[in-house]
Amino acid sequence: DQQVKQNSPSLSVQEGRISILNCDYTNSMFDYFLWYKKYPAEGPTFLISISSIKDKNEDGRFTVFLNKSAKHLSLHIVPSQPGDSAVYFCAASAGAQKLVFGQGTRLTINP
Amino acid sequence: NAGVMQNPRHLVRRRGQEARLRCSPMKGHSHVYWYRQLPEEGLKFMVYLQKENIIDESGMPKERFSAEFPKEGPSILRIQQVVRGDSAAYFCASSPGADNEQFFGPGTRLTVL
Repeated sequence: DQQVKQNSPSLSVQEGRISILNCDYTNSMFDYFLWYKKYPAEGPTFLISISSIKDKNEDGRFTVFLNKSAKHLSLHIVPSQPGDSAVYFCAASAGAQKLVFGQGTRLTINP
Repeated sequence: NAGVMQNPRHLVRRRGQEARLRCSPMKGHSHVYWYRQLPEEGLKFMVYLQKENIIDESGMPKERFSAEFPKEGPSILRIQQVVRGDSAAYFCASSPGADNEQFFGPGTRLTVL
C-alpha cells in the first residue's frame, strides 16, 4: 500500500528553467509534508516542509505547494542549477513522527 | 555542530552472521529514527526511539531485528542471522523533538553474501 507516490521516476530540465516535481498521497491523516534531496552514497538532505494548514511555503529557489483537496503537493525549483541534479523524495507524516516516503524522482539539470 | 553519524559506512556479512549498525544523533537531539532503503525504492520506516524507549516499532520485521537507544552511547540497529534480503542501505535520522524535521546520516550499506 503505497501511501505516498511520486509517479515520475525521472525528470530532465534545462539549466535556468523551472523544475516541478510532483507527489500524491492517499492518507488524509497526513498533516506534515517534506521534501528531501539525495545524492548517491549520501543520506537525504532536508529541503523544505509544509504543514497542512498552509498551501504554500517558500525558501529561496524552492517553493512547495499543497493542494489538500487533491491530496497533491509539488516542489518548484527556479531557476534550476546543475547542482540540483539529484534524487528528490517527498515524505509525509501524521502526527510529525515517522515519515512515509515516495519512491523518488531523479532530476537531471542539463546545461 | 556535527551531523548525524553512522558507522560503519559499509558492512559485509555472510548469511547467518550478525550485523550491528550504529547511529550517533546530532547534539541536542533525543529522537532517533531508522529507515531502510532497498535498491530503486524509497526509504521505509523501521523504528522510532527516544532515550531508553522504543516509541514506534511498527516497521520492524517481527524476527531477527532489534533496536536500542541507551542512556549513554549511540543507537544500535541489530540484525541477527542475516539473509540476502537484508542487503540494503540503512539510514538513521534524528530530531530535537517529535514535531521537528528529521536530519539524516550518511547511511550504512549492508551487503549480505
